[in-house]
Amino acid sequence: AQSVTQLGSHVSVSEGALVLLRCNYSSSVPPYLFWYVQYPNQGLQLLLKYTSAATLVKGINGFEAEFKKSETSFHLTKPSAHMSDAAEYFCAVTRGRDDMRFGAGTRLTVKP
Amino acid sequence: ETGVTQTPRHLVMGMTNKKSLKCEQHLGHNAMYWYKQSAKKPLELMFVYSLEERVENNSVPSRFSPECPNSSHLFLHLHTLQPEDSALYLCASSQGSGYTIYFGEGSWLTVV
Repeated sequence: AQSVTQLGSHVSVSEGALVLLRCNYSSSVPPYLFWYVQYPNQGLQLLLKYTSAATLVKGINGFEAEFKKSETSFHLTKPSAHMSDAAEYFCAVTRGRDDMRFGAGTRLTVKP
Repeated sequence: ETGVTQTPRHLVMGMTNKKSLKCEQHLGHNAMYWYKQSAKKPLELMFVYSLEERVENNSVPSRFSPECPNSSHLFLHLHTLQPEDSALYLCASSQGSGYTIYFGEGSWLTVV
C-alpha cells in the first residue's frame, strides 16, 4: 500500500522568504505524485504533478517540486513567499486512478 | 470558473432529514469521486465511480448513498446522519491518462 507523510502540520514564513513544504511517500512501484493547494472555503486546486518525465516539476504560482527517489521525497518549494500563498497544501500519491492517497496537509502562514 | 460544480455549497440538516448533494463535471472525464474532509483529518475517499460503475466504497456507512446516473453527474444521498458527519464534502473527477483529480469547491454540511 502507498502512503504520504507531510512533515509539519503548520509552517510559518515571512513574506519574501523561501517556502519549503516537505512530503515523503511510500510506494512499492514508481508513483505519480501531486501537490494541491486549498484556499479557505474552497476545494483543492492542482499545483503540480510528477509523472516521471522530469524530476524537477514546475507548477503554478511560482511553485516547484523535486522528485528524489533515493529519499522517497517530493518537497514543494517557492523562492519567495507572497501573502497570497497562505493556504493549506496537500501532497498526494497514486499508482492508478482509484487509489489516490492524500497527506494530512500543511497550513502555510505568511507573515508581513 | 471550475470544471466541477457542486450544489448546494452549504447545507444544514437535522438528523432525521433526507437531503442530497449534487455534483456535475464539465471536463469530459470518465471517473468521479466523493471525498470527505473533516477538521484535522486527512481527506477520506468515500466513493469512486468509473464509467458510471462504483468501484470503491471504502466502508462508508449506509446512511451515505451515492448515485451516478451518467458520466457527468454524481449525487450523494444523505439520510439519518449524525453530528460527526458534519464536514466538507468534495466531489472530483478524472480522466484515465495522467491520473490527475480535479476537485469542485465542496459542499459544507452541518448536521444538527
